Amino acid sequence: LAKTTQPISMDSYEGQEVNITCSHNNIATNDYITWYQQFPSQGPRFIIQGYKTKVTNEVASLFIPADRKSSTLSLPRVSLSDTAVYYCLVGPFYGGATNKLIFGTGTLLAVQP
Amino acid sequence: GAVVSQHPSRVICKSGTSVKIECRSLDFQATTMFWYRQFPKKSLMLMATSNEGSKATYEQGVEKDKFLINHASLTLSTLTVTSAHPEDSSFYICSAHTSWGARETEAFFGQGTRLTVV
Repeated sequence: LAKTTQPISMDSYEGQEVNITCSHNNIATNDYITWYQQFPSQGPRFIIQGYKTKVTNEVASLFIPADRKSSTLSLPRVSLSDTAVYYCLVGPFYGGATNKLIFGTGTLLAVQP
Repeated sequence: GAVVSQHPSRVICKSGTSVKIECRSLDFQATTMFWYRQFPKKSLMLMATSNEGSKATYEQGVEKDKFLINHASLTLSTLTVTSAHPEDSSFYICSAHTSWGARETEAFFGQGTRLTVV
Protein backbone atom coordinates (compact mmCIF):
# COMPACT_ATOMS: atom_id res chain seq x y z
CA LEU A 1 0.00 0.00 0.00
CA ALA A 2 1.31 3.42 -0.98
CA LYS A 3 2.52 5.56 1.91
CA THR A 4 0.98 9.00 2.24
CA THR A 5 2.36 12.24 3.64
CA GLN A 6 0.17 15.13 4.78
CA PRO A 7 0.69 18.24 6.87
CA ILE A 8 0.08 17.52 10.53
CA SER A 9 -2.14 20.55 11.00
CA MET A 10 -3.69 23.53 9.22
CA ASP A 11 -5.50 26.62 10.42
CA SER A 12 -8.22 28.51 8.58
CA TYR A 13 -11.07 30.95 9.13
CA GLU A 14 -14.72 30.57 8.46
CA GLY A 15 -15.70 31.21 4.86
CA GLN A 16 -12.28 30.48 3.43
CA GLU A 17 -11.39 27.77 0.97
CA VAL A 18 -9.05 25.16 2.39
CA ASN A 19 -6.73 22.99 0.36
CA ILE A 20 -5.04 20.00 1.95
CA THR A 21 -2.36 18.30 -0.11
CA CYS A 22 -1.30 14.69 0.23
CA SER A 23 1.84 13.16 -1.26
CA HIS A 24 1.82 9.56 -2.42
CA ASN A 25 4.90 9.07 -4.57
CA ASN A 26 4.62 5.28 -4.70
CA ILE A 27 1.01 5.13 -5.88
CA ALA A 28 0.33 2.04 -7.99
CA THR A 29 -1.56 1.90 -11.26
CA ASN A 30 -4.67 0.34 -9.73
CA ASP A 31 -4.69 2.57 -6.64
CA TYR A 32 -7.45 5.04 -5.91
CA ILE A 33 -7.20 8.07 -3.64
CA THR A 34 -9.77 8.43 -0.89
CA TRP A 35 -10.24 11.11 1.75
CA TYR A 36 -11.94 10.62 5.10
CA GLN A 37 -13.00 13.05 7.80
CA GLN A 38 -12.95 12.23 11.50
CA PHE A 39 -14.44 14.18 14.37
CA PRO A 40 -13.31 13.49 17.96
CA SER A 41 -14.69 10.23 19.38
CA GLN A 42 -16.34 9.27 16.11
CA GLY A 43 -15.45 6.88 13.31
CA PRO A 44 -14.08 8.30 10.05
CA ARG A 45 -16.53 9.40 7.40
CA PHE A 46 -16.00 9.10 3.63
CA ILE A 47 -15.61 12.43 1.85
CA ILE A 48 -14.48 11.80 -1.69
CA GLN A 49 -12.63 9.36 -3.91
CA GLY A 50 -10.86 9.70 -7.23
CA TYR A 51 -8.41 8.17 -9.66
CA LYS A 52 -7.24 11.07 -11.81
CA THR A 53 -8.00 14.68 -12.83
CA LYS A 54 -10.79 16.26 -10.81
CA VAL A 55 -13.70 14.90 -8.84
CA THR A 56 -16.35 17.04 -7.22
CA ASN A 57 -19.26 16.21 -4.95
CA GLU A 58 -21.54 18.19 -2.69
CA VAL A 59 -18.96 18.68 0.03
CA ALA A 60 -15.52 18.78 -1.60
CA SER A 61 -13.37 18.61 -4.68
CA LEU A 62 -10.39 16.38 -5.28
CA PHE A 63 -7.63 17.44 -7.64
CA ILE A 64 -5.21 14.83 -8.92
CA PRO A 65 -2.36 15.78 -11.28
CA ALA A 66 -1.41 13.66 -14.25
CA ASP A 67 1.43 11.87 -12.45
CA ARG A 68 -0.91 11.03 -9.52
CA LYS A 69 1.92 11.40 -7.03
CA SER A 70 -0.09 13.86 -5.02
CA SER A 71 -3.67 14.95 -4.52
CA THR A 72 -5.39 17.99 -3.06
CA LEU A 73 -8.62 17.99 -1.12
CA SER A 74 -10.42 21.30 -1.50
CA LEU A 75 -13.09 22.35 0.98
CA PRO A 76 -15.03 25.42 -0.17
CA ARG A 77 -16.05 28.04 2.37
CA VAL A 78 -15.29 26.11 5.54
CA SER A 79 -17.29 26.56 8.71
CA LEU A 80 -16.50 25.84 12.35
CA SER A 81 -18.09 22.41 11.96
CA ASP A 82 -15.40 21.44 9.45
CA THR A 83 -12.84 21.34 12.25
CA ALA A 84 -11.71 17.72 12.13
CA VAL A 85 -8.89 15.41 11.13
CA TYR A 86 -8.68 14.65 7.41
CA TYR A 87 -7.04 11.45 6.21
CA CYS A 88 -5.75 10.71 2.73
CA LEU A 89 -5.63 7.01 1.86
CA VAL A 90 -4.35 5.27 -1.22
CA GLY A 91 -5.24 1.72 -2.15
CA PRO A 92 -6.55 -0.63 -4.83
CA PHE A 93 -10.10 -0.25 -6.07
CA TYR A 94 -11.34 -3.55 -7.43
CA GLY A 95 -12.05 -6.19 -4.86
CA GLY A 96 -12.17 -3.37 -2.39
CA ALA A 97 -14.42 -5.13 0.05
CA THR A 98 -11.48 -7.09 1.35
CA ASN A 99 -8.74 -4.52 0.97
CA LYS A 100 -7.60 -3.13 4.28
CA LEU A 101 -7.07 0.59 4.74
CA ILE A 102 -3.89 1.87 6.32
CA PHE A 103 -4.27 5.32 7.84
CA GLY A 104 -1.46 7.86 7.86
CA THR A 105 -1.10 10.69 10.34
CA GLY A 106 -3.93 12.80 8.96
CA THR A 107 -4.25 16.60 8.94
CA LEU A 108 -5.93 18.37 11.83
CA LEU A 109 -7.86 21.29 10.36
CA ALA A 110 -8.78 23.96 12.86
CA VAL A 111 -11.31 26.50 11.65
CA GLN A 112 -11.46 29.76 13.59
CA PRO A 113 -14.40 32.17 13.69
CA GLY B 1 -26.25 4.78 2.43
CA ALA B 2 -24.71 1.78 4.08
CA VAL B 3 -24.46 1.93 7.85
CA VAL B 4 -22.18 0.21 10.29
CA SER B 5 -23.30 0.20 13.89
CA GLN B 6 -21.00 -0.39 16.82
CA HIS B 7 -22.01 -1.17 20.39
CA PRO B 8 -21.42 -0.09 23.08
CA SER B 9 -20.28 3.44 22.43
CA ARG B 10 -18.41 3.54 25.72
CA VAL B 11 -17.59 1.04 28.42
CA ILE B 12 -15.71 1.08 31.68
CA CYS B 13 -14.44 -2.17 33.09
CA LYS B 14 -12.20 -3.40 35.85
CA SER B 15 -8.73 -4.76 35.23
CA GLY B 16 -8.76 -8.45 34.53
CA THR B 17 -12.24 -8.59 33.09
CA SER B 18 -13.21 -9.10 29.45
CA VAL B 19 -15.17 -6.75 27.27
CA LYS B 20 -17.05 -7.54 24.06
CA ILE B 21 -17.62 -4.97 21.33
CA GLU B 22 -20.10 -5.59 18.54
CA CYS B 23 -19.94 -4.34 14.97
CA ARG B 24 -22.95 -4.76 12.71
CA SER B 25 -23.52 -3.92 9.09
CA LEU B 26 -27.14 -2.79 9.07
CA ASP B 27 -28.15 -2.85 5.44
CA PHE B 28 -25.52 -4.83 3.62
CA GLN B 29 -23.62 -8.04 4.01
CA ALA B 30 -19.99 -7.79 4.97
CA THR B 31 -17.86 -10.87 4.54
CA THR B 32 -14.92 -8.82 5.75
CA MET B 33 -14.76 -6.31 8.56
CA PHE B 34 -11.81 -4.49 10.05
CA TRP B 35 -10.93 -3.51 13.60
CA TYR B 36 -8.86 -0.47 14.47
CA ARG B 37 -7.53 1.03 17.65
CA GLN B 38 -6.92 4.72 18.13
CA PHE B 39 -5.06 6.39 20.98
CA PRO B 40 -5.60 10.07 21.83
CA LYS B 41 -4.36 12.43 19.13
CA LYS B 42 -3.09 9.51 17.08
CA SER B 43 -4.20 7.95 13.85
CA LEU B 44 -6.18 4.75 13.45
CA MET B 45 -4.09 1.62 13.72
CA LEU B 46 -5.37 -1.49 11.99
CA MET B 47 -5.53 -4.38 14.41
CA ALA B 48 -7.06 -7.20 12.41
CA THR B 49 -9.19 -8.26 9.50
CA SER B 50 -12.31 -10.17 10.48
CA ASN B 51 -13.38 -12.83 7.99
CA GLU B 52 -16.85 -14.36 8.08
CA GLY B 53 -16.69 -18.06 8.77
CA SER B 54 -12.93 -18.20 9.20
CA LYS B 55 -10.14 -17.03 11.45
CA ALA B 56 -9.27 -13.38 11.69
CA THR B 57 -6.02 -12.07 10.27
CA TYR B 58 -4.05 -10.04 12.78
CA GLU B 59 -1.57 -7.29 12.06
CA GLN B 60 1.96 -7.66 13.29
CA GLY B 61 2.28 -6.98 16.99
CA VAL B 62 -1.38 -7.53 17.81
CA GLU B 63 -1.98 -10.41 20.23
CA LYS B 64 -4.64 -12.69 18.85
CA ASP B 65 -5.27 -14.30 22.24
CA LYS B 66 -5.85 -10.91 23.80
CA PHE B 67 -8.11 -9.51 21.12
CA LEU B 68 -10.50 -12.29 20.15
CA ILE B 69 -12.45 -11.72 16.97
CA ASN B 70 -15.51 -13.66 15.94
CA HIS B 71 -17.33 -13.12 12.63
CA ALA B 72 -20.13 -15.65 12.83
CA SER B 73 -22.54 -14.04 10.40
CA LEU B 74 -22.46 -11.77 7.36
CA THR B 75 -23.59 -8.80 9.43
CA LEU B 76 -21.85 -9.19 12.75
CA SER B 77 -18.28 -9.18 13.96
CA THR B 78 -17.28 -9.04 17.61
CA LEU B 79 -14.06 -8.01 19.27
CA THR B 80 -13.43 -9.27 22.78
CA VAL B 81 -10.68 -7.68 24.81
CA THR B 82 -9.71 -10.40 27.24
CA SER B 83 -8.20 -9.79 30.66
CA ALA B 84 -8.24 -6.09 30.03
CA HIS B 85 -5.59 -3.83 31.58
CA PRO B 86 -5.36 -0.04 31.77
CA GLU B 87 -3.02 0.03 28.76
CA ASP B 88 -5.86 -1.45 26.69
CA SER B 89 -7.87 1.70 27.27
CA SER B 90 -8.42 3.18 23.83
CA PHE B 91 -10.94 4.03 21.14
CA TYR B 92 -11.84 0.95 19.10
CA ILE B 93 -13.39 1.34 15.66
CA CYS B 94 -14.72 -1.20 13.21
CA SER B 95 -15.36 -0.84 9.50
CA ALA B 96 -16.87 -2.74 6.62
CA HIS B 97 -16.53 -2.07 2.93
CA THR B 98 -19.11 -2.14 0.21
CA SER B 99 -18.10 -3.13 -3.26
CA TRP B 100 -20.55 -2.63 -6.06
CA GLY B 101 -18.58 -4.12 -8.88
CA ALA B 102 -17.66 -1.24 -11.17
CA ARG B 103 -18.62 1.48 -8.70
CA GLU B 104 -16.45 2.98 -6.08
CA THR B 105 -15.48 0.95 -3.06
CA GLU B 106 -16.49 2.73 0.09
CA ALA B 107 -15.56 1.98 3.66
CA PHE B 108 -18.12 2.62 6.38
CA PHE B 109 -17.02 2.99 9.94
CA GLY B 110 -18.80 2.36 13.19
CA GLN B 111 -19.23 5.10 15.75
CA GLY B 112 -16.38 3.73 17.80
CA THR B 113 -16.20 2.35 21.34
CA ARG B 114 -14.38 4.19 24.09
CA LEU B 115 -12.92 1.55 26.42
CA THR B 116 -11.65 2.61 29.80
CA VAL B 117 -10.04 -0.01 32.01
CA VAL B 118 -9.75 0.94 35.67
